[in-house]
Amino acid sequence: DAGITQSPRHKVTETGTPVTLRCHQTENHRYMYWYRQDPGHGLRLIHYSYGVKDTDKGEVSDGYSVSRSKTEDFLLTLESATSSQTSVYFCAIRPSVGTQYFGPGTRLTVL
Amino acid sequence: DQQVKQNSPSLSVQEGRISILNCDYTNSMFDYFLWYKKYPAEGPTFLISISSIKDKNEDGRFTVFLNKSAKHLSLHIVPSQPGDSAVYFCAARTEYTGNQFYFGTGTSLTVIP
Repeated sequence: DAGITQSPRHKVTETGTPVTLRCHQTENHRYMYWYRQDPGHGLRLIHYSYGVKDTDKGEVSDGYSVSRSKTEDFLLTLESATSSQTSVYFCAIRPSVGTQYFGPGTRLTVL
Repeated sequence: DQQVKQNSPSLSVQEGRISILNCDYTNSMFDYFLWYKKYPAEGPTFLISISSIKDKNEDGRFTVFLNKSAKHLSLHIVPSQPGDSAVYFCAARTEYTGNQFYFGTGTSLTVIP
């Protein structure tokens, strides 16, 4: 157990509505990540954070924003959800240089 | 442009035999390589990693081999067990891209009892 929780675990929303996903860690790690997993694409990085208020974009960041006001929480926001953002979203932490541990995931459906 | 590639979408192996999962990469600056196992409806679980300064790392039934000249790594599972049936992802990182990790598309392993 890497001490990572994600909420909600499942969400159905409509196109055009804002959505916020939360990632919470209990171990005080500096680095946190948001990925999406889609068939045929594996895991793709959306955004990551290297400290409180320090974030950077990944390869599929368009349409997403993030915030990290506390070490333990990393929020992913879809300002105006689209059907192409239907996916499974995973949060991860980086305990050391060569390792990364993942949360249980959030399944998001945008109708 | 996919920097980490897993060219075999699926693999079936008999229980007790060896499973070999393969991964190729293009970026010679990668310094760590990782393997994950993923069951349906769960997050990926870290299995084993290897630094680019090594060519082999073992952990129980799992061994990862790195061939830097060929830009190729493989995961060997010996002996394979039915509980190993899952999707396996390889991943790589380099400090030169801000600590980002790049993932392959995964290989679905089925171990037949």
